[in-house]
Amino acid sequence: EAQVTQNPRYLITVTGKKLTVTCSQNMNHEYMSWYRQDPGLGLRQIYYSMNVEVTDKGDVPEGYKVSRKEKRNFPLILESPSPNQTSLYFCASSLREGYEQYFGPGTRLTVT
Amino acid sequence: EDKVVQSPLSLVVHEGDTVTLNCSYEVTNFRSLLWYKQEKKAPTFLFMLTSSGIEKKSGRLSSILDKKELFSILNITATQTGDSAVYLCGKAAGNKLTFGGGTRVLVKP
Repeated sequence: EAQVTQNPRYLITVTGKKLTVTCSQNMNHEYMSWYRQDPGLGLRQIYYSMNVEVTDKGDVPEGYKVSRKEKRNFPLILESPSPNQTSLYFCASSLREGYEQYFGPGTRLTVT
Repeated sequence: EDKVVQSPLSLVVHEGDTVTLNCSYEVTNFRSLLWYKQEKKAPTFLFMLTSSGIEKKSGRLSSILDKKELFSILNITATQTGDSAVYLCGKAAGNKLTFGGGTRVLVKP
């Protein structure tokens, strides 16, 4: 089954404790992206990747890092999480930029 | 930052009504306009629009793009309670995708 998977689905952590949210797709898609969704602010793009080793900032990249060492994986790294990064995070992939994106199930992160 | 504005913010209709949702965007580096439906989970894809004036249809849903006036419309006819959701519009520009704030639709029986 074609899908985007994210782990963990729920995470509660404390300020400053480094964490990684994994994202994997099995559709051989070139384009992958991370979004955060907050009430009243909609979906905002954090980082995107057009292919292996090619990443770029979205609209809200501060406090996040990404890497794309393999085509199928696009982890999101929070080196020193802060409470304002409490949010619902979605990973998505598409064949190429500008095409329909398939979203993962979401990761609800709480930073206390 | 590219702007995408959706209206209305929310609306309540009764089953059988027709709903029209609006999405306006800025013109820079336009690639495509995407519509998604989001219930209590991840957004699911509805339509991708790249050409002006060509209506796309899927059952009771349809959408059209006007690249001259920089907007798109999503129509839902004969609404059902299962259409209750947040509808998101996103503009792909360059390599980025920018979403509007969404329109929350509640369909009452």
